[in-house]
Amino acid sequence: NAGVMQNPRHLVRRRGQEARLRCSPMKGHSHVYWYRQLPEEGLKFMVYLQKENIIDESGMPKERFSAEFPKEGPSILRIQQVVRGDSAAYFCASSLQNSGNTIYFGEGSWLTVV
Amino acid sequence: GQNIDQPTEMTATEGAIVQINCTYQTSGFNGLFWYQQHAGEAPTFLSYNVLDGLEEKGRFSSFLSRSKGYSYLLLKELQMKDSASYLCAVRTFSGGYNKLIFGAGTRLAVHP
Repeated sequence: NAGVMQNPRHLVRRRGQEARLRCSPMKGHSHVYWYRQLPEEGLKFMVYLQKENIIDESGMPKERFSAEFPKEGPSILRIQQVVRGDSAAYFCASSLQNSGNTIYFGEGSWLTVV
Repeated sequence: GQNIDQPTEMTATEGAIVQINCTYQTSGFNGLFWYQQHAGEAPTFLSYNVLDGLEEKGRFSSFLSRSKGYSYLLLKELQMKDSASYLCAVRTFSGGYNKLIFGAGTRLAVHP
């Protein structure tokens, strides 16, 4: 049973380009959470999605960032016109139920903006 | 607002015991988690407390006092591989759903 799969693991983008990060939750999981981790800092909540719905995007910057979790396929975190400050590790997590006590994290996607 | 505090760094000796504290002020408290994270890797689940008291799991134990907004993670018989960041996370319930909020993490260095 595969865990939470994220790709790419490492991504380098020039300023102004777009970054797309993908997350396939564990089989059967319909709840997906995205977190951002800046160097030497903790995980900051970005967005919580269920299939085809954004439940809470209070941690997402208002501009340039968007997320989706379509009926078919992985969840996508999209960052348009990247800037150096977007350089971070982006972790995806999934859970079977929102009320459960087990949330599984993916290995993360490390974005570097040059 | 939500606030979770834990020490930035700690050091300890191999074979010793270390306690990592976490204090929180949050609304809609619905459980506290501890995660371990090695550099460049994903956080891995260590423990979960929702009721007051101590939860023991092998060399790791976690304690919660909801009235004091306080938790600690106790690591016994420290090993070099325990050098990692330890993340305290509070699950909050608001708007009909749960959300996990993390502290900044405590970097633990275990020395021989």
